Amino acid sequence: DAKTTQPTSMDCAEGRAANLPCNHSTISGNEYVYWYRQIHSQGPQYIIHGLKNNETNEMASLIITEDRKSSTLILPHATLRDTAVYYCIVRSLYLDNYGQNFVFGPGTRLSVLP
Amino acid sequence: ETGVTQSPTHLIKTRGQQVTLRCSSQSGHNTVSWYQQALGQGPQFIFQYYREEENGRGNFPPRFSGLQFPNYSSELNVNALELDDSALYLCASSSYRGEQYFGPGTRLTVT
Repeated sequence: DAKTTQPTSMDCAEGRAANLPCNHSTISGNEYVYWYRQIHSQGPQYIIHGLKNNETNEMASLIITEDRKSSTLILPHATLRDTAVYYCIVRSLYLDNYGQNFVFGPGTRLSVLP
Repeated sequence: ETGVTQSPTHLIKTRGQQVTLRCSSQSGHNTVSWYQQALGQGPQFIFQYYREEENGRGNFPPRFSGLQFPNYSSELNVNALELDDSALYLCASSSYRGEQYFGPGTRLTVT
């Protein structure tokens, strides 16, 4: 089972910041927070990841709370092309009992509205 | 562009048949993971290959098998196809323990 909970869906106005929350209250010290997105019928696209410090790249910013129990992905100026399902994944560098380290939940469906 | 390619794009098979899906990993990556994504759900992990050895497996039956070749490309084989095997099959390549980069997927329909 996924170790994260996310809202099922969110709307955002084009040009505004999209803030996507993720709860991961059981995260352990060696687990990273990863964000991927999936535009309809395409493969998931890597966005960003972090351990405990805030991170920023050309696509987004990742804000992780000090206790690491939640995080927020920020798309600073959302466009219509950002409409997608966004997945927050807690991932250990080590394989779990099922031999995997990426477990996808249902994600958040973000709709960017004109 | 991720550099991960998959073939074929779409495939239609009949129940009971066998299918082979192919994946070419991104340059410099030695690890390939396969996922199954049913409609409306997140991807589910099938297995992972690292340097030609299976390195982890999800909750899938043995009729799902795979290979990784010396150039790190990979195949997913599914025997005795069932209707529930209809899904988008995703391949992701990475360096060991690195972030995974996904291909566009193969859409399999079993009738």
